[in-house]
Amino acid sequence: SQTIHQWPATLVQPVGSPLSLECTVEGTSNPNLYWYRQAAGRGLQLLFYSVGIGQISSEVPQNLSASRPQDRQFILSSKKLLLSDSGFYLCAWRIRGRRNTEAFFGQGTRLTVV
Amino acid sequence: GEDVEQSLFLSVREGDSSVINCTYTDSSSTYLYWYKQEPGAGLQLLTYIFSNMDMKQDQRLTVLLNKKDKHLSLRIADTQTGDSAIYFCSRRGGGNKLTFGTGTQLKVEL
Repeated sequence: SQTIHQWPATLVQPVGSPLSLECTVEGTSNPNLYWYRQAAGRGLQLLFYSVGIGQISSEVPQNLSASRPQDRQFILSSKKLLLSDSGFYLCAWRIRGRRNTEAFFGQGTRLTVV
Repeated sequence: GEDVEQSLFLSVREGDSSVINCTYTDSSSTYLYWYKQEPGAGLQLLTYIFSNMDMKQDQRLTVLLNKKDKHLSLRIADTQTGDSAIYFCSRRGGGNKLTFGTGTQLKVEL
C-alpha cells in the first residue's frame, strides 16, 4: 500500500533562518507531488507541484522553493524565513496519468516563525 | 478573486442535515472533490463527482453539481459530532493542478 511521510511534524524557526521540509512517498512510482500551505487553519494554497524528477511548477514565487531530487522525494526550502511563512504545510501525491484520482495528504508540518 | 470559494463557517445541531456550498470559476473543471480535514491533520477524500453528473449519493453524503451556475454542494444527512471538521471543495482543471477552496468550518452542536 502507498504511504506518504512528512517531517518534521512541528517546527519553530527564527526569522531569517533556513528551512527544509521533506516529504517522501512509498509504494508508488512516478507520482505527481504537491506542496500546499494552510495559513491560520484556513484555506489551502498550492505552492508547488511536480510531475517528475527535477520538474517543478511554482504557483506562488515567494521566498520558498521546491526540489525533487528523487522520484518519490519532494523538498520545500527557504534560504531566509519570514514571519509570514508561518503556517501548516501539507504535502500530497496523486497517481500520474489517470484523470480521476484523489490526492493523498501527509499529516502536515506546523511551522512557526518567531 | 479566488478560483474556488466557500463560506467560512456552518453550525448545525446534531441530527440535522448540513449543506456546504462551493462555487468555482473555471468551467473546464472535470472532476470536483470534497475533502475533510480534522484538527491538526491532513486532508482525506470524502467523495467526488464528474462534471457530466448532476448528483451523486454515497451513504449520508449527497453531492449536487449545477454546471450552469458553477455551484457544488455537499449535503451531510443526520450530522454527527464526529462530522465537525473543515470541508474543502477542490477541482481538477487542466494539467495536474488541484485547486482547493478556502474551506468551511462545520461545527456540530448537541
